[in-house]
Amino acid sequence: GAVVSQHPSWVICKSGTSVKIECRSLDFQATTMFWYRQFPKQSLMLMATSNEGSKATYEQGVEKDKFLINHASLTLSTLTVTSAHPEDSSFYICSALKGGTEAFFGQGTRLTVV
Amino acid sequence: GDSVTQMEGPVTLSEEAFLTINCTYTATGYPSLFWYVQYPGEGLQLLLKATKADDKGSNKGFEATYRKETTSFHLEKGSVQVSDSAVYFCALSHTGNQFYFGTGTSLTVIP
Repeated sequence: GAVVSQHPSWVICKSGTSVKIECRSLDFQATTMFWYRQFPKQSLMLMATSNEGSKATYEQGVEKDKFLINHASLTLSTLTVTSAHPEDSSFYICSALKGGTEAFFGQGTRLTVV
Repeated sequence: GDSVTQMEGPVTLSEEAFLTINCTYTATGYPSLFWYVQYPGEGLQLLLKATKADDKGSNKGFEATYRKETTSFHLEKGSVQVSDSAVYFCALSHTGNQFYFGTGTSLTVIP
């Protein structure tokens, strides 16, 4: 298998602040990573596709100015939730594509905005 | 559009009980179907998959059969162990990299 590490595992922040979540592929390079989120009692939903060295592609209904994605290296993608509000409280999980074909997932980040 | 419907949990079973977690899907074309498992504090791990109709995926005593006629991919295990306690996600993918997931089912196995 392969290892994808996500940090932090959980975070509590105040409303109006920004939070950065990191997704690292530890033992392989990933030109493509994906960000998902899960609201309570709902499915994990794809938010965006992160491509190294280029702009992320966002799914319909996801605000790109609110969820900033940076994929500056082949082993790191970051998701920044800007001006977070309680409705952004969710479970965020990333996956990294190994060899362009197989996806490996991080452990997820539980974000609570108070 | 594509979607996955998964039985809601949580599910609590005694050790050695039989497990079924139902999963049905809606999709265009012929996607691959997956079961992922997430143990506490860890990432989603691929448990098993099936790439075409009538294929059976199996791993660690778990099985699921790709049923095109009923658009289902139910997960089964004949005798669960405490170490199987985790959250299980059913998913489909056309490409193997982008996924449509169900809501996840939390399983707790008690000794």
